[in-house]
Amino acid sequence: GENVEQHPSTLSVQEGDSAVIKCTYSDSASNYFPWYKQELGKRPQLIIDIRSNVGEKKDQRIAVTLNKTAKHFSLHITETQPEDSAVYFCAATIGTSYGKLTFGQGTILTVHP
Amino acid sequence: DAGVIQSPRHEVTEMGQEVTLRCKPISGHNSLFWYRQTMMRGLELLIYFNNNVPIDDSGMPEDRFSAKMPNASFSTLKIQPSEPRDSAVYFCASSLGGAGSYEQYFGPGTRLTVT
Repeated sequence: GENVEQHPSTLSVQEGDSAVIKCTYSDSASNYFPWYKQELGKRPQLIIDIRSNVGEKKDQRIAVTLNKTAKHFSLHITETQPEDSAVYFCAATIGTSYGKLTFGQGTILTVHP
Repeated sequence: DAGVIQSPRHEVTEMGQEVTLRCKPISGHNSLFWYRQTMMRGLELLIYFNNNVPIDDSGMPEDRFSAKMPNASFSTLKIQPSEPRDSAVYFCASSLGGAGSYEQYFGPGTRLTVT
């Protein structure tokens, strides 16, 4: 089955700096890669996603890049703010049409004011 | 839309008791997913349904766990008998389903504590 590895497990940055979280996946048939943000005690919330026919996608301060050859994708957050502090999860489909996701282990991002 | 609804939000029970968690997916969504989240194991997919039919239950930890989806608006996850190691946050998520409609939206979760 699919395996998703996420790094780093923790990331600490100063407000205004950029943050990058990286994930690798194993199933070459995977075609959908979402990123979720989970604040303490809250539900995971979809913040951005990318499909296998696109190499990069941006939404204001966040962007995701995908390298299908290397089977890795990354989340980029620019001009970080304290409210960006949360756990971030990457995920990948297992290549079925139902969207079954395998999640990475999560990255705890802390943005210091 | 109210989003995915789960109940109860918190459940405290004693070992050996039956626990039933409930989920109402977003109206019009055809796929429903049950997850368990713990510090040790992260976010695990337990089972998922498409058009009320269970598609993959390989993540269900053991026979003590069962899930049903009697109609498009309701699903249950039952644990019988419950054990302390079942303590976790259980999330339900739904998506439109079908080719290309993969975005999953999570409910608020049920925090289960088994003493």
